[in-house]
Amino acid sequence: IAGITQAPTSQILAAGRRMTLRCTQDMRHNAMYWYRQDLGLGLRLIHYSNTAGTTGKGEVPDGYSVSRANTDDFPLTLASAVPSQTSVYFCASSPTTQNTQYFGPGTRLTVL
Amino acid sequence: AQTVTQSQPEMSVQEAETVTLSCTYDTSESDYYLFWYKQPPSRQMILVIRQEAYKQQNATENRFSVNFQKAAKSFSLKISDSQLGDAAMYFCAYRRANAGNMLTFGGGTRLMVKP
Repeated sequence: IAGITQAPTSQILAAGRRMTLRCTQDMRHNAMYWYRQDLGLGLRLIHYSNTAGTTGKGEVPDGYSVSRANTDDFPLTLASAVPSQTSVYFCASSPTTQNTQYFGPGTRLTVL
Repeated sequence: AQTVTQSQPEMSVQEAETVTLSCTYDTSESDYYLFWYKQPPSRQMILVIRQEAYKQQNATENRFSVNFQKAAKSFSLKISDSQLGDAAMYFCAYRRANAGNMLTFGGGTRLMVKP
């Protein structure tokens, strides 16, 4: 069982480009989440999905969009990347919204 | 809004000794969950321990235990018999019980273990 996988591991991106970060889980968890981690700020929630077909905004949603077409996948899209989106991005999942969240290995994104 | 504060940016401990990492939080809720996550250099976020606010008994997981003081809104992590593999960033996190979408994280404490 792989748990949660994220791709790519790292990426350097020119400002203004579109980018999709991929997240896949094989645990059949209903809830999935995207966080960004910036130095000194811990992790902050970008978007979440309580179950397939639904999504919601977290603490820092601007500039990002998500979709949840099925249980396993939860891609995060930056429509037009800006340097302030340089960060490490973590995908997480939990069986339901009431359970502990488990994290993927993260994607380091640099926007120049 | 809930906030989580970790006042120690860095801590160090001698191998085999005990260290305590501090965490305070601010909330008006009475029912919630608290967590400690470990982030080693590999970047993976690993759950260390979890505490339900309605439980008075402090959670324990092997060498890791917490001191949960609900009235003081304090949630410290004690690591006993520290090992070199304990060296990592440690994050305290909070989640409301009935609106479980968002984990609110503290800024982290970097723990160094000296051989």
